[in-house]
Amino acid sequence: EPEVTQTPSHQVTQMGQEVILRCVPISNHLYFYWYRQILGQKVEFLVSFYNNEISEKSEIFDDQFSVERPDGSNFTLKIRSTKLEDSAMYFCASTRTSGELFFGEGSRLTVL
Amino acid sequence: AQSVTQLGSHVSVSEGALVLLRCNYSSSVPPYLFWYVQYPNQGLQLLLKYTSAATLVKGINGFEAEFKKSETSFHLTKPSAHMSDAAEYFCAVSESPNTGNQFYFGTGTSLTVIP
Repeated sequence: EPEVTQTPSHQVTQMGQEVILRCVPISNHLYFYWYRQILGQKVEFLVSFYNNEISEKSEIFDDQFSVERPDGSNFTLKIRSTKLEDSAMYFCASTRTSGELFFGEGSRLTVL
Repeated sequence: AQSVTQLGSHVSVSEGALVLLRCNYSSSVPPYLFWYVQYPNQGLQLLLKYTSAATLVKGINGFEAEFKKSETSFHLTKPSAHMSDAAEYFCAVSESPNTGNQFYFGTGTSLTVIP
């Protein structure tokens, strides 16, 4: 069964460092998303991406964040200068038009 | 604006007992509603979805949910809890998922099943 894959599963970084989280969505999907979940809190929307551009983003998704689909298969989330409060589980998701989001297993980011 | 509220961040039931996880939604348009489950160290997995067809929706693992417009609710139930049901459950709403609109998630309910 096709699935969304994310790497790395866990990354530890120093505050101020750049981080890139990678996702491979399901191959025939058209819409791509990043969500995050701070420990003990709700799953929060960051950004959606369609047709090689951002279609919607939340207030969380400020200038420190960027997304890219560099090669038609990967979908990356970059955090330019990480802060302590960026520590969270980051989930990538994708969908075609079925109305169902398919999630990856997440990348846990720990900022020290 | 859309949102969901999940009442009860923690629910404990005995094995074999009824599971009831509550979700109320707010939406300015006819909503699409979802329940996702998250097992430890895993991603979110779809349990079931309501997309304006039958109001009683059956999902995987014996779960079902009923859309009640008058109560703006979409509670999740299962007649008989199993130990393997212990997980985090999230209710979500979307305005139009088929066009890539974002999903809004609740804060989640952690289900514990007592042997």
